[in-house]
Amino acid sequence: DAGVTQSPTHLIKTRGQQVTLRCSPKSGHDTVSWYQQALGQGPQFIFQYYEEEERQRGNFPDRFSGHQFPNYSSELNVNALLLGDSALYLCASSLGVGQSLNYGYTFGSGTRLTVV
Amino acid sequence: AQSVTQLDSHVSVSEGTPVLLRCNYSSSYSPSLFWYVQHPNKGLQLLLKYTSAATLVKGINGFEAEFKKSETSFHLTKPSAHMSDAAEYFCVVSDLGAGGFKTIFGAGTRLFVKA
Repeated sequence: DAGVTQSPTHLIKTRGQQVTLRCSPKSGHDTVSWYQQALGQGPQFIFQYYEEEERQRGNFPDRFSGHQFPNYSSELNVNALLLGDSALYLCASSLGVGQSLNYGYTFGSGTRLTVV
Repeated sequence: AQSVTQLDSHVSVSEGTPVLLRCNYSSSYSPSLFWYVQHPNKGLQLLLKYTSAATLVKGINGFEAEFKKSETSFHLTKPSAHMSDAAEYFCVVSDLGAGGFKTIFGAGTRLFVKA
């Protein structure tokens, strides 16, 4: 049973560039949430996708956008990269928007983004 | 308002001694509480969860946590630490309130295990 897979594992970008990160949820899951984890901090919620729509959003600027595909996989896009966007980006999947209340999330290993 | 406070940023124990990682939470609704573990360069793995059933929750790898509503705490314990327990631990609160479904992570506690 495949868990959550994220690609790429590492990425280096220059300030002002754009980046796309990808996530395939655990088999049977249909909801994808994205988190940003800066060094030494806990994960911060970016947004959540369900039925190909953004359902909830954290306190992140519009430079952060996403998409969910019919096969439930998801992309996170960040435009106009800043040095402060350097972080580990984690994808988490669950079955249904509210089911993580009962079962928690399954996390991928993350994409380490470095902006120089 | 919803919040999570992990009271120690670092905890150091010797192998074979008990582990206590402390977590206090705030929620206006009936929350679900979780502990996740993150090993270096890995994603987060669910250790255990409290979802309004038994207040003493058993998880994987010998970890337990007790939900104490009167103290708004959800401390993580293990009777005997193993070297492989060295990792970052996150306390998480989730609830469904008027503002919608929200999940908040604590800042994390780094557990060091000495031989």
